[in-house]
Amino acid sequence: SSELTQDPAVSVALGQTVRITCQGDSLRNYYATWYQQKAGQAPVLVIFGQNNRPSGIPDRFSGFTSGNTAALTITGAQAEDEADYYCNSRGSTTKPVIFGGGTKLTVL
Amino acid sequence: QMQLVESGGGVVQSGRSLRLSCVGSGFIFGTFGMHWVRQTPGKGLEWVAFISYDGSNQFSGDSVQGRFTISRDNSMNTVFLHMNSLRPEDTAVYYCAKPVHPNYYGMDVWGQGTTVTVSS
Repeated sequence: SSELTQDPAVSVALGQTVRITCQGDSLRNYYATWYQQKAGQAPVLVIFGQNNRPSGIPDRFSGFTSGNTAALTITGAQAEDEADYYCNSRGSTTKPVIFGGGTKLTVL
Repeated sequence: QMQLVESGGGVVQSGRSLRLSCVGSGFIFGTFGMHWVRQTPGKGLEWVAFISYDGSNQFSGDSVQGRFTISRDNSMNTVFLHMNSLRPEDTAVYYCAKPVHPNYYGMDVWGQGTTVTVSS
C-alpha cells in the first residue's frame, strides 16, 4: 500500500517528551521526512533522512524509523511546538510522493 | 537565502483553466527538480506533481493526472502548474517546494502558497 497513517491528534504537557508516529509500507525502504505547519503558514522541514535537522531547527526534534513506523520525537516540548505535523515519503510508481494525514499537536 | 514565490491563483469557474507560477532564488534552480503540493481548506497536504531538473521527466498524482501539467523554464528560474478542467475539489492553497536533494521526495524550501478557488 502507498499510504502513510498518522494519529489525528496528540497532546503533551509543557516540557515533557512526545512522539508522533507515521506508519506505512514504504517506510521499510525510505526514510520519512517531517514537517511542522502552524496555522496560516507554509510547512517547515524539521527532519529528513535518517535523522537530519535543517539549520535553525532545535535539537529537541529528532527522528527514528523501525520497520514500517517512523517517529518524530520532541524532547522537552515548548509552547511554540504546538502545530500540525506531517510525514512524507516515497510512494509507489503510480503515486511517487505521499503524505500522511497529519497530527495536530497540542502543548498543555 | 533560498526562496520560492508563487503567483497566479484566483477564483475560476469549474471547467476553466489556470496557470500557476513559482520563481526560485538563492539556489541553483536548474539543478533541482521541483514539486507542487496542495492543501484543501482545513485538511492535509496532497502531493500534486514533480518535474526533474531539466524538465525531461514529469510525474503527477492520480487526482490531477490528465488535467494538470507541470513544466519549467530554467532561464527564468520558474516552474509552472498548468491546470485544466478545474473542479470544485481542486480548491486549495498550492505550494511549490524544492527538494532537499535534486530528485528527493522531502522538501526543504516552500513558497508562501497561492490560493485557487474553483466555483461551481
